[in-house]
Amino acid sequence: ILNVEQSPQSLHVQEGDSTNFTCSFPSSNFYALHWYRWETAKSPEALFVMTLNGDEKKKGRISATLNTKEGYSYLYIKGSQPEDSATYLCASIGRNAGNMLTFGGGTRLMVKP
Amino acid sequence: ETGVTQSPTHLIKTRGQQVTLRCSSQSGHNTVSWYQQALGQGPQFIFQYYREEENGRGNFPPRFSGLQFPNYSSELNVNALELDDSALYLCASSIQGARGYTFGSGTRLTVV
Repeated sequence: ILNVEQSPQSLHVQEGDSTNFTCSFPSSNFYALHWYRWETAKSPEALFVMTLNGDEKKKGRISATLNTKEGYSYLYIKGSQPEDSATYLCASIGRNAGNMLTFGGGTRLMVKP
Repeated sequence: ETGVTQSPTHLIKTRGQQVTLRCSSQSGHNTVSWYQQALGQGPQFIFQYYREEENGRGNFPPRFSGLQFPNYSSELNVNALELDDSALYLCASSIQGARGYTFGSGTRLTVV
């Protein structure tokens, strides 16, 4: 994988559903992976910065896992709420890429009440 | 502590014109990065400034240039605007060597 890819591109779920999406990134020269939550007309909000293979992080109902050997990360949302509706972006940093974030295209989540 | 502030929030320019976008970094942050988000895509890295010098550049032509000031604020300048330059421009500040970034809410540029 040369680029950062996210799937699905968009997702509609009902309030209360749990959901997850995927971020794939280049595994060679991996340094760090960032997850952001981005509501329309607002700033991207940092969720997690992950660096270690097997890392798991949690923030309220949102959690993320990291597999640096195979180059993927999962973001999970438990019991989705309408306020979770946003675009979720992941971005990787390569070891030789300075501080350059390489973003995926995002997953747009819409939670229906 | 203040976050990252970008100005203006929206603007419309004509093809061939020049534009300057501004970014005030978060207090305590010494590095500023600029990203372009075209419709339907993820943000793309333009360049980063640290100690008032360019410290990394993405795949953007020289007509995209920047400045960083002693107070760590920054400008993005784009000359000879093209229609494809229409996008959301995001600024992110950070501390050099640290992993966290704080983003502004962006400037929406429309080139007609």
